[in-house]
Amino acid sequence: EAGVAQSPRYKIIEKRQSVAFWCNPISGHATLYWYQQILGQGPKLLIQFQNNGVVDDSQLPKDRFSAERLKGVDSTLKIQPAKLEDSAVYLCASSSSGKAKNIQYFGAGTRLSVL
Amino acid sequence: AQKITQTQPGMFVQEKEAVTLDCTYDTSDPSYGLFWYKQPSSGEMIFLIYQGSYDQQNATEGRYSLNFQKARKSANLVISASQLGDSAMYFCAMREGDDYKLSFGAGTTVTVRA
Repeated sequence: EAGVAQSPRYKIIEKRQSVAFWCNPISGHATLYWYQQILGQGPKLLIQFQNNGVVDDSQLPKDRFSAERLKGVDSTLKIQPAKLEDSAVYLCASSSSGKAKNIQYFGAGTRLSVL
Repeated sequence: AQKITQTQPGMFVQEKEAVTLDCTYDTSDPSYGLFWYKQPSSGEMIFLIYQGSYDQQNATEGRYSLNFQKARKSANLVISASQLGDSAMYFCAMREGDDYKLSFGAGTTVTVRA
């Protein structure tokens, strides 16, 4: 079974530029998550989708961050315009709904450097 | 308040020895799940082990075991027979009630010495 796919693996941009990250979850997983992991910290949830609907985006800085999951499969996270403090690893995870454990499986992440 | 606390920023362990990573949690929800993930330098978060709040027995998965002490609100990870490949960052995380999102601790870096 293929895991969670993310691209690109690395991205370097200058502040005020825009950037987009892509995620393809494990086949059949209805729930998709985007986390931000700043160096030296644990991941922090940005947004959670159930199929193509948003369940939780309370921690998403909506003035600059946006995310979509149009067909309930792939998802894109965008930052526009980027700030220096957005430098972090962006992790995508997916899980199968309705199971008690609801284990989240993560992709390898996209490491973003904002200069 | 911090939901997950990991007080050990870094640990060294000799190959083939056991190591215990501490995790304490804070929740008022009687239904919750506790998770441990491993993050090697490559960056991917790898699921290791799960413990449900209503589980009667401590979880075990191969060389990983979880020492669950509900009254103390602790969920320590024990790695037995450490291997060089175990060198990584380890995160404790919690899910509460019907909420699927995970709250993570700050992590503990484990370095296995030959």
